[in-house]
Amino acid sequence: AQSVTQLDSHVSVSEGTPVLLRCNYSSSYSPSLFWYVQHPNKGLQLLLKYTSAATLVKGINGFEAEFKKSETSFHLTKPSAHMSDAAEYFCVVREINTGTASKLTFGTGTRLQVTL
Amino acid sequence: DAMVIQNPRYQVTQFGKPVTLSCSQTLNHNVMYWYQQKSSQAPKLLFHYYDKDFNNEADTPDNFQSRRPNTSFCFLDIRSPGLGDAAMYLCATSRRASGTDTQYFGPGTRLTVL
Repeated sequence: AQSVTQLDSHVSVSEGTPVLLRCNYSSSYSPSLFWYVQHPNKGLQLLLKYTSAATLVKGINGFEAEFKKSETSFHLTKPSAHMSDAAEYFCVVREINTGTASKLTFGTGTRLQVTL
Repeated sequence: DAMVIQNPRYQVTQFGKPVTLSCSQTLNHNVMYWYQQKSSQAPKLLFHYYDKDFNNEADTPDNFQSRRPNTSFCFLDIRSPGLGDAAMYLCATSRRASGTDTQYFGPGTRLTVL
């Protein structure tokens, strides 16, 4: 079975400083990994995805993540936080397509707070 | 722009009164999913359709049903909403393609049960 652990339930940074949201995964196979962002009362927006191509993945809004197999990690980073980045972030692993659709396993989420 | 649309964005219903939530997509994807997300929790998959084939999760209560009349539309029916069913309901779609299957989410419908 696959699982995802988001190591911080809440992260607070100042505007203009770097962001690091940590995610570790467990998978028996080469996983597909995603980061989604959810702003208050909104749906989930795909930030970026890793699907066994380049290990450093660039996403939208200046975010990127690096897949490290040896550490089973997929941490999300951004060089400089903006107020609009304040949201809930979910790290997600996709199960092997054994059925008719892909099934996602979600982490518990990290709430990012950005202060002035 | 191709997208996933959910209506209404906010729905208020009374305890025990049936309610239907709607999802439509312009992505022409084969698969449509319904998730339930309670406050401060991760989304939980209720069921999905692959084309017309319905796939229920083992722990989804019988109170939740779904219909997919065509490729573009999918409905979530809650037959007798309880207070515990108050949540955000998210619709998502994906095209079944090995190695590149990404789910795209709609904005969600927030359901309040009085």
